Amino acid sequence: GNSVTQMEGPVTLSEEAFLTINCTYTATGYPSLFWYVQYPGEGLQLLLKATKADDKGSNKGFEATYRKETTSFHLEKGSVQVSDSAVYFCALIRDDKIIFGKGTRLHILP
Amino acid sequence: DGGITQSPKYLFRKEGQNVTLSCEQNLNHDAMYWYRQDPGQGLRLIYYSQIVNDFQKGDIAEGYSVSREKKESFPLTVTSAQKNPTAFYLCASSPTASYNSPLHFGNGTRLTVT
Repeated sequence: GNSVTQMEGPVTLSEEAFLTINCTYTATGYPSLFWYVQYPGEGLQLLLKATKADDKGSNKGFEATYRKETTSFHLEKGSVQVSDSAVYFCALIRDDKIIFGKGTRLHILP
Repeated sequence: DGGITQSPKYLFRKEGQNVTLSCEQNLNHDAMYWYRQDPGQGLRLIYYSQIVNDFQKGDIAEGYSVSREKKESFPLTVTSAQKNPTAFYLCASSPTASYNSPLHFGNGTRLTVT
């Protein structure tokens, strides 16, 4: 069946470090892929998305590229800030069902 | 501003009591969803509704009930039959029943049952 696997957290980085959060998926066909972010005490917000192979989603300095050959959608940011501390969820939509990964908690130290 | 309002933010109940969590949206979205979030388990779908007066069970519906009498409202009742009700509950909506529309989430209700 369809599934999403994210790297386990927490991930702790210093401010201005480079960030990668890995996400791989299992799905038939071509699912749409998403990253959501959850700040402390809040619900999830859509961060970025990609709907077909080789698409790159980007927002707020974050990027992720839909890689069909490796079934991956890794989240990257060149220089993280303390305000990026949150939980990040990778998700896919296929056959009108959304599947979330378990989330990766990110801590950024000043 | 358009959005999803969940209330209250924190809720405390004694074991054996039913409790209802409110979710209201003014986005004119057709579809609404309830998720439960537990540490290390991500989000799990409880119930969803694609249109008024219709709803379907999600992956963990046991011990929960919902209603969808109005387009803008989708309350969730946590019954005494739910064995582990303490959790963070998130309500979401999307413009259409198709999941290809990204979900919009409320800020959640943290329920503690003792």
